[in-house]
Amino acid sequence: AAGVIQSPRHLIKEKRETATLKCYPIPRHDTVYWYQQGPGQDPQFLISFYEKMQSDKGSIPDRFSAQQFSDYHSELNMSSLELGDSALYFCASSLLLTGVNSGYTFGSGTRLTVV
Amino acid sequence: DAKTTQPTSMDCAEGRAANLPCNHSTISGNEYVYWYRQIHSQGPQYIIHGLKNNETNEMASLIITEDRKSSTLILPHATLRDTAVYYCIVMGYGGATNKLIFGTGTLLAVQP
Repeated sequence: AAGVIQSPRHLIKEKRETATLKCYPIPRHDTVYWYQQGPGQDPQFLISFYEKMQSDKGSIPDRFSAQQFSDYHSELNMSSLELGDSALYFCASSLLLTGVNSGYTFGSGTRLTVV
Repeated sequence: DAKTTQPTSMDCAEGRAANLPCNHSTISGNEYVYWYRQIHSQGPQYIIHGLKNNETNEMASLIITEDRKSSTLILPHATLRDTAVYYCIVMGYGGATNKLIFGTGTLLAVQP
């Protein structure tokens, strides 16, 4: 079965650069979630989209923005990167109406290293 | 969403049942109990969820107390590949703003 696809798997950027992370949800899933997981930390919710509209916002820095496109894929844009942005970034998708029954499906993540 | 409390770590012998407890004393009537796990540096993986009845699937069983203030995830025959951080999460059903909030889970170490 198709899973949540994230790209790239690894990314190395320098401070003050920008980065774009991509997420391709499971086909027909209408909701996308982004999470950030720092070293030794638990995943932290950043932002979510339902039917291409932002549905909720967590602890996402103002330097970050995200959107969901007409084909339901989502991109997380990160500017003015800081060393503290080094983390694993996970995307998850769900079908809202059945999200309770099926659980959220997470991608394998993008490991961002800022040097 | 209600807060959950889990032990920081647990050990289990390979082949034995692993019983992971979770307290969620402030759970409200329309909130479900979800369990996810995260194997080192991989994406979290859904295991099971329940409202008030006990649930079982191919991965695990979920036992919820009658007052719903606590639950136990049971892995019937733990293997080395079950070594992971297990998260118990309480979340309401429905709505575009429902989202998983991860607290501090239980690191289960399955020993050979």
